Amino acid sequence: EAGVVQSPRYKIIEKKQPVAFWCNPISGHNTLYWYRQNLGQGPELLIRYENEEAVDDSQLPKDRFSAERLKGVDSTLKIQPAELGDSAVYLCASSWRDRNTEAFFGQGTRLTVV
Amino acid sequence: AQSVAQPEDQVNVAEGNPLTVKCTYSVSGNPYLFWYVQYPNRGLQFLLKYITGDNLVKGSYGFEAEFNKSQTSFHLKKPSALVSDSALYFCAVRGTTGGGNKLTFGTGTQLKVEL
Repeated sequence: EAGVVQSPRYKIIEKKQPVAFWCNPISGHNTLYWYRQNLGQGPELLIRYENEEAVDDSQLPKDRFSAERLKGVDSTLKIQPAELGDSAVYLCASSWRDRNTEAFFGQGTRLTVV
Repeated sequence: AQSVAQPEDQVNVAEGNPLTVKCTYSVSGNPYLFWYVQYPNRGLQFLLKYITGDNLVKGSYGFEAEFNKSQTSFHLKKPSALVSDSALYFCAVRGTTGGGNKLTFGTGTQLKVEL
């Protein structure tokens, strides 16, 4: 079974530029998460999807971040414009809808804003 | 709101000795609890989970965790540590009521196993 696939693995951009991250979850998983992880810290939820619906985006900085999950499968997270403080690892995860199931994570995208 | 606390930023242990990584939680209803491990430049890898039943759950690579409802804790343990266990460990929780399928993580504990 293929795992969660994220691209790109690394991205370096100048501040004020746009950037996008892509995630392909495990086939059949209803729930998709985007987390941000700062160095040495735990993942912080940005947005959670149930199928194509964003059900928890309270931590997403909506002035510059946006996300979509077309057809309830792949998802894209966008930042426009990027700021220096956005440098972090962006993790995508997916799981079944059942609360007792574990989430599976992709390898993440390391973003550096210079 | 649900939350997880990992009180130790770092745990050091000698190879062959038992290890414990601590976790306490706060959640609505009963908890579903998870442990993940992260190696450098990698995503999080699932180790084990507590859903219901036996308070001692066993997982990958010889790890186990003990659920204690009265102390709201879910400590990760291993009887004999290996150098290769050195990594960043995260505890996570979901509640059985409210919050939907939200999965909340602690801040992580760096485990260092030395020869």
